[in-house]
Amino acid sequence: EAGVVQSPRYKIIEKKQPVAFWCNPISGHNTLYWYRQNLGQGPELLIRYENEEAVDDSQLPKDRFSAERLKGVDSTLKIQPAELGDSAVYLCASSLGVVQPDYGYTFGSGTRLTVV
Amino acid sequence: AQKITQTQPGMFVQEKEAVTLDCTYDTSDQSYGLFWYKQPSSGEMIFLIYQGSYDEQNATEGRYSLNFQKARKSANLVISASQLGDSAMYFCAMREGPDGNKLVFGAGTILRVKS
Repeated sequence: EAGVVQSPRYKIIEKKQPVAFWCNPISGHNTLYWYRQNLGQGPELLIRYENEEAVDDSQLPKDRFSAERLKGVDSTLKIQPAELGDSAVYLCASSLGVVQPDYGYTFGSGTRLTVV
Repeated sequence: AQKITQTQPGMFVQEKEAVTLDCTYDTSDQSYGLFWYKQPSSGEMIFLIYQGSYDEQNATEGRYSLNFQKARKSANLVISASQLGDSAMYFCAMREGPDGNKLVFGAGTILRVKS
């Protein structure tokens, strides 16, 4: 069974440019999470989806970040315009609704964004 | 206030020896869960071990065990018989939130295994 798939794996962009990341969760997983991991730190939750509804986006910088999860499956995270401080690893995770290993809580490999 | 504290920025261990990575947490919830993840240089988050707050036994998974001391709010990871492939970043995390659907991470500990 395929795990959580993220693309691209790496992305380098100039500041003020837009960028988008894509995540395909494990089949059947209704809950999807986007995290941001700054260098030398642990991941921090940006947004959580239950099916197609964003139920926790309190940490998402809404002036430049947006996310969508059409049809409750794939999700896209967008930054427009990107700033130097957005350089980080963006991780996607999915689960069967609960943050527990027996509910299949799994991370993708992440997208490493570098803004120059 | 930090919810998860990992006080060791970096650790060294000799191959084949055991090592303990520290983690303390802060919560007022009665029901919570504690996770340890390994993150190699390639970047993926690899799940290692989980301890529920009501679990009476300390969790074990192969060479990994969790030393759970509830009264002290600590959940230290013990890796036995260290291998070179254990060199990585290790994160302690806690499940929290009104529906237990949020994972909060510590800052991590870099482990280097020496041959």
